[in-house]
Amino acid sequence: SAVISQKPSRDICQRGTSLTIQCQVDSQVTMMFWYRQQPGQSLTLIATANQGSEATYESGFVIDKFPISRPNLTFSTLTVSNMSPEDSSIYLCSGEGAYGYTFGSGTRLTVV
Amino acid sequence: KQEVTQIPAALSVPEGENLVLNCSFTDSAIYNLQWFRQDPGKGLTSLLLIQSSQREQTSGRLNASLDKSSGRSTLYIAASQPGDSATYLCAVSDSGNTGKLIFGQGTTLQVKP
Repeated sequence: SAVISQKPSRDICQRGTSLTIQCQVDSQVTMMFWYRQQPGQSLTLIATANQGSEATYESGFVIDKFPISRPNLTFSTLTVSNMSPEDSSIYLCSGEGAYGYTFGSGTRLTVV
Repeated sequence: KQEVTQIPAALSVPEGENLVLNCSFTDSAIYNLQWFRQDPGKGLTSLLLIQSSQREQTSGRLNASLDKSSGRSTLYIAASQPGDSATYLCAVSDSGNTGKLIFGQGTTLQVKP
């Protein structure tokens, strides 16, 4: 199955700043997704990253807050913009291909 | 709106026991159901994937069943080991096969030596 490298693995950021998270897949995947896992909670889908076009966001998530890029079939970025302490979460990317789903190891974000 | 519920939220068993984790979903129109394992500070590892037309899947000591009409799935772990300690997540993919997964809250399992 595919392997996703996600970085950074963790970061502590000041409120009002932005952080960009990167995911690199070692093989082409059909679809890529970004999830958020708040403390003690399960995973919630933020958006579907579409290659070469704007991402498709779920209810409650907007492009201005979570801009996403996917320039090719193996790479995607998620930016958490104008951060507040409520954005402290684990962010995970996922890829779906012929093998099924694979997930990155997650980015643990703390906003202070 | 699809909702996924997992019971129990936490489970502690002695090594060697057989155990069952439960997952229920409100909308039976799913494309597939998956069970994942999440270790602390790590991403998710896919354990078993059951297509909507299937009833069960097996991998080693793990067996997952699916009853789509009743909106239920179970994950059976045989002869549990301390290395099985992790959080187990159930997720369903919608019938439109958009690839989106809707997750349950998870069951945190501790297997004591």
